[in-house]
Amino acid sequence: SAVISQKPSRDICQRGTSLTIQCQVDSQVTMMFWYRQQPGQSLTLIATANQGSEATYESGFVIDKFPISRPNLTFSTLTVSNMSPEDSSIYLCSVGSRQHNNEQFFGPGTRLTVL
Amino acid sequence: GDSVTQMEGPVTLSEEAFLTINCTYTATGYPSLFWYVQYPGEGLQLLLKATKADDKGSNKGFEATYRKETTSFHLEKGSVQVSDSAVYFCALKGSSNTGKLIFGQGTTLQVKP
Repeated sequence: SAVISQKPSRDICQRGTSLTIQCQVDSQVTMMFWYRQQPGQSLTLIATANQGSEATYESGFVIDKFPISRPNLTFSTLTVSNMSPEDSSIYLCSVGSRQHNNEQFFGPGTRLTVL
Repeated sequence: GDSVTQMEGPVTLSEEAFLTINCTYTATGYPSLFWYVQYPGEGLQLLLKATKADDKGSNKGFEATYRKETTSFHLEKGSVQVSDSAVYFCALKGSSNTGKLIFGQGTTLQVKP
């Protein structure tokens, strides 16, 4: 399986600020995704991070609010911009590749609280 | 669009009881189906999967069978342990090859000694 790390593991932020979350994988992967898990809720896909091109966003999520970078096959960042308390969630990075039978593995998550 | 529906929790059982968590799905084509587990304070882990009709996924005593006729993928375990207490998520990956997962709402299982 792929080993995924995320930084930071948690943060408490003020309204109106931005936070960038990093996702690092121990091997090259084809696919990287960012999910949000709001308190007591299920996981919702924010976007697919594409290497070398703009991310593909799901309905309800926009690049201005959640800019994503993926400079190579092992690293991605998600920024939560102009935060409000409604952005308080766990943000998870996941990866998949043919090497791992296209299974998806999840990072430990970043727990964000916005005051 | 594709969707997954799980039975609502929480589910509370005594140790060694039989567990069923229902999961049904709506999808076009032939999706792959998954159960993920989230133990308290930990990340999401793949528990088992099935990629085609009538496949049975199994792991750690848990089983689920891909039933296309009833569009279901119910999770079962014959004898639960306290250590099985966690949140269980049913998910599907559509046949469109985008790779993205669609999750059910999650079911909390609490096993009491």
